[in-house]
Amino acid sequence: AQSVTQLGSHVSVSEGALVLLRCNYSSSVPPYLFWYVQYPNQGLQLLLKYTTGATLVKGINGFEAEFKKSETSFHLTKPSAHMSDAAEYFCAVSDRGNSGGYQKVTFGTGTKLQVIP
Amino acid sequence: DAMVIQNPRYQVTQFGKPVTLSCSQTLNHNVMYWYQQKSSQAPKLLFHYYDKDFNNEADTPDNFQSRRPNTSFCFLDIRSPGLGDAAMYLCATSRARTGNQPQHFGDGTRLSIL
Repeated sequence: AQSVTQLGSHVSVSEGALVLLRCNYSSSVPPYLFWYVQYPNQGLQLLLKYTTGATLVKGINGFEAEFKKSETSFHLTKPSAHMSDAAEYFCAVSDRGNSGGYQKVTFGTGTKLQVIP
Repeated sequence: DAMVIQNPRYQVTQFGKPVTLSCSQTLNHNVMYWYQQKSSQAPKLLFHYYDKDFNNEADTPDNFQSRRPNTSFCFLDIRSPGLGDAAMYLCATSRARTGNQPQHFGDGTRLSIL
């Protein structure tokens, strides 16, 4: 079964600084990869996903992530943090299974991002 | 906008008193999921429906049941809530069950047990 590791349960950055949230997966076969954001008392919202093709994926709100097979990583970045980026971020993975079959999504334990004015 | 709507947003019930949470979607997605999320933890999948086909996770307690009367609606029934069931319950949908499909989440129902 897939597993996903998010290093750092809490990350603090200054407003305007680079945001880097780390995600590593366990599978030897590259999975499908997702980043979701959760604001307080809300559900999860898709930021971006990697399924195939270009390894640098751009998402909403200025975030992007790069799939690196050699490092089994899918780290999330944003060049300049805004106060509104303060939220919890979940990396998620899913197997590339047989066509039409069910592949369960496994979520990481989340990283809370604090943005300091 | 197409969306996933959960009602109520906050639910308080008494220990052992059955409670039902509801979810509706206007996305016309085939798959609906129920997750339990406790504070500062990842969402934990309880079960999912693929159309009318119910799929229970192996570690989901028998206390939790679900119904999907039609494509748009799905319900989570907790037969005898215990204190450990206090959590945020998230409903999500996806177009298909294949791994490349993102999930669309509602805003959740926060359940408190007195």
